[in-house]
Amino acid sequence: GAVVSQHPSWVICKSGTSVKIECRSLDFQATTMFWYRQFPKQSLMLMATSNEGSKATYEQGVEKDKFLINHASLTLSTLTVTSAHPEDSSFYICSARDLVTSGKYEQYFGPGTRLTVT
Amino acid sequence: QKEVEQNSGPLSVPEGAIASLNCTYSDRGSQSFFWYRQYSGKSPELIMSIYSNGDKEDGRFTAQLNKASQYVSLLIRDSQPSDSATYLCAVYKYNFNKFYFGSGTKLNVKP
Repeated sequence: GAVVSQHPSWVICKSGTSVKIECRSLDFQATTMFWYRQFPKQSLMLMATSNEGSKATYEQGVEKDKFLINHASLTLSTLTVTSAHPEDSSFYICSARDLVTSGKYEQYFGPGTRLTVT
Repeated sequence: QKEVEQNSGPLSVPEGAIASLNCTYSDRGSQSFFWYRQYSGKSPELIMSIYSNGDKEDGRFTAQLNKASQYVSLLIRDSQPSDSATYLCAVYKYNFNKFYFGSGTKLNVKP
């Protein structure tokens, strides 16, 4: 149980284009999903928290117009990196949690998406 | 002051030994604590969660929580080379609905 998938696992795009990353909870309903970014040899950096049906809450310093998050259903959240630039190249990881049904605070991570902007 | 502090390591232990990983947190009101393992190039994997003072055991792993000292630890018994990874300590703060991660401790288990 508690399986989270991400698609794509890696993507290369040209500077100025947009990229969409999907995060799905496969065997539970994710009332909350978190989006993280991780640069090489650094720890996870939380970008935003999204609750199903609500607008995402972005961390300080994260541009909400650049990183568009949609959590339209209990099993799917998407992160769109708009007008990507080489400095956006990173490892993007989503996580999901079902607090309502499970009563547990554990979050489960997807396998991550490695984005390279050329 | 960082919310969660970990020694970056690397911590090197021989195969079969006990590896002890430590973590401190700054907010005394924190109530949920987690250990994640992250292999190089992969996403984190949940190993243990602990909510109450004391020990919690799961197989070769034991998490220890001491709220008075604001200290969480992870013991790995009979360490194996496959345990070589970075271990992330995380604290969940209810009021902010988010997790705070330490920078991770790199563990090397030598055959």
